[in-house]
Amino acid sequence: DTEVTQTPKHLVMGMTNKKSLKCEQHMGHRAMYWYKQKAKKPPELMFVYSYEKLSINESVPSRFSPECPNSSLLNLHLHALQPEDSALYLCASSSVNTEAFFGQGTRLTVV
Amino acid sequence: AQKITQTQPGMFVQEKEAVTLDCTYDTSDQSYGLFWYKQPSSGEMIFLIYQGSYDEQNATEGRYSLNFQKARKSANLVISASQLGDSAMYFCAIDGTGGFKTIFGAGTRLFVKA
Repeated sequence: DTEVTQTPKHLVMGMTNKKSLKCEQHMGHRAMYWYKQKAKKPPELMFVYSYEKLSINESVPSRFSPECPNSSLLNLHLHALQPEDSALYLCASSSVNTEAFFGQGTRLTVV
Repeated sequence: AQKITQTQPGMFVQEKEAVTLDCTYDTSDQSYGLFWYKQPSSGEMIFLIYQGSYDEQNATEGRYSLNFQKARKSANLVISASQLGDSAMYFCAIDGTGGFKTIFGAGTRLFVKA
């Protein structure tokens, strides 16, 4: 199984809503990532979990809250988002110093 | 700090011909990895090829090869025998010592013409 599965694929939420993005992998990777990608731009790293501990937070606003319940799951909790947060959110996983495997992403629209 | 530069916003290639996508990088790390990813319009990032900084041979994966010139800090992707399905955005990326912090270039949009 070489897949990273993200749900939902599309999400529309209001600025007062709370929602969560989910990511799952069963490749035994111990590093998991959240990236944000705006249209026609490269992915920007948001968070990295290594061995289920948050190891990198790229100064992401607190309205984005990551969680790693176990080595296979990664969540991104969303609260009080702004319209400019609308983007493609990509989850990825990897072993150390190897290529990352990406999910298909969640296209988020904040209205 | 690490940086990736892709100077070709868009490229056109005829089907069945080869194409080179340029990538230059800057890093102060002695040990690093260079990656190329393909992103179709569906959004998924697909890993294509990897080159380690200490690898003496250029990496190859099927129709993809990486022209690694360490002294020039370049890591160009060569796609041979282009296919219509190769039309996509292509990103060059680097990660440094310890991995985990992959930095992407701006990308090159490739259009394959029939």
